Amino acid sequence: EDKVVQSPLSLVVHEGDTVTLNCSYEVTNFRSLLWYKQEKKAPTFLFMLTSSGIEKKSGRLSSILDKKELFSILNITATQTGDSAIYLCAVWHGGSQGNLIFGKGTKLSVKP
Amino acid sequence: AAGVIQSPRHLIKEKRETATLKCYPIPRHDTVYWYQQGPGQDPQFLISFYEKMQSDKGSIPDRFSAQQFSDYHSELNMSSLELGDSALYFCASSASLETQYFGPGTRLLVL
Repeated sequence: EDKVVQSPLSLVVHEGDTVTLNCSYEVTNFRSLLWYKQEKKAPTFLFMLTSSGIEKKSGRLSSILDKKELFSILNITATQTGDSAIYLCAVWHGGSQGNLIFGKGTKLSVKP
Repeated sequence: AAGVIQSPRHLIKEKRETATLKCYPIPRHDTVYWYQQGPGQDPQFLISFYEKMQSDKGSIPDRFSAQQFSDYHSELNMSSLELGDSALYFCASSASLETQYFGPGTRLLVL
């Protein structure tokens, strides 16, 4: 059965800390892995990773994919209270169109 | 930049009623996806359409149906509503297998 597993499920840090969120997957016909940030409503897109070993970076956020070990990490440096959210990992798989399989998410709380 | 538009944003229905949710994708996006997210749950894929044809089907109940119209907007029709259908329903759109961008969601409450 296809699955996406995120860890930890919940994380509480203080402003300025660096965090690493983990996502492992087992899917057939892997196409890409996506990270989303979900605050109160819709998930907002962060990164799409297709190739192994190539880091994607946006400000204090970065992510990398390991297709051999079937996992990805999302790093957030110098965390801010505005980073508090649920971070969702999703894997796009399947045939001609496929669909996204989401992990349960990591709830990050950044305390001042 | 234009985003995915969903309407209504909130909907309250009673058991056994019907509901129709609408989704307007980002311009020039040809694929629409529907997801259901229960309280504290991850989004669950329901169904997707590419170029007005159903392309994938996930955990969509038989009581639900959906279609994509010629202008690429999509509608999710939900009949015989049950209490368990209360959830946030997201629509996402993409341009030919590129990143999916999510709409703001429709929060459905079934009483």
